Amino acid sequence: DTGVSQDPRHKITKRGQNVTFRCDPISEHNRLYWYRQTLGQGPEFLTYFQNEAQLEKSRLLSDRFSAERPKGSFSTLEIQRTEQGDSAMYLCASSPSSRIGNQPQHFGDGTRLSIL
Amino acid sequence: AQSVTQPDIHITVSEGASLELRCNYSYGATPYLFWYVQSPGQGLQLLLKYFSGDTLVQGIKGFEAEFKRSQSSFNLRKPSVHWSDAAEYFCAVGTPNTGNQFYFGTGTSLTVIP
Repeated sequence: DTGVSQDPRHKITKRGQNVTFRCDPISEHNRLYWYRQTLGQGPEFLTYFQNEAQLEKSRLLSDRFSAERPKGSFSTLEIQRTEQGDSAMYLCASSPSSRIGNQPQHFGDGTRLSIL
Repeated sequence: AQSVTQPDIHITVSEGASLELRCNYSYGATPYLFWYVQSPGQGLQLLLKYFSGDTLVQGIKGFEAEFKRSQSSFNLRKPSVHWSDAAEYFCAVGTPNTGNQFYFGTGTSLTVIP
């Protein structure tokens, strides 16, 4: 059973640069989620896809953030013009769809972003 | 709005001792409840979940949790802690009317001493 895979594991960049992260969900899962986790905090929801459709976006997702899931498989999260406050762990999760919703989400190991 | 509170930021227990981690939620109806564990630099691993039915649920690694509607709580327990249980523990809530996002607590860091 292949779990959720995220790449890269770590990213160090200078303020103002653009960064892109990739997430490969569990293959049979059609829901994919992005969360952000800062030190000492729990994950905070950013956005969610059902197949290729982006169905929800948090207010945390500023205009500098964009997420895609073009073929309903892997997803990318891009941050443009990075700021110090973007330093965090970015977590991807996936789950199967369900009529009742809220199936357990399976998380990847995250991408840790550090802004210099 | 939904919220999750984990009152204990950090807990230290001796190996072999029992453990209880507290979680309280705020929601008007019965939510979907989850406990996750996170080791340093890693993602979150699901320990157990509650959707409905029996209020005492069993999970992996010997953990269990009890849903108490009257107290809006979903506390995590383990009868005998092992050194490998040292990690960060997160309680999460999902609700039918909030799409599919989870709300997480701020976590409880567990230290196990020999």
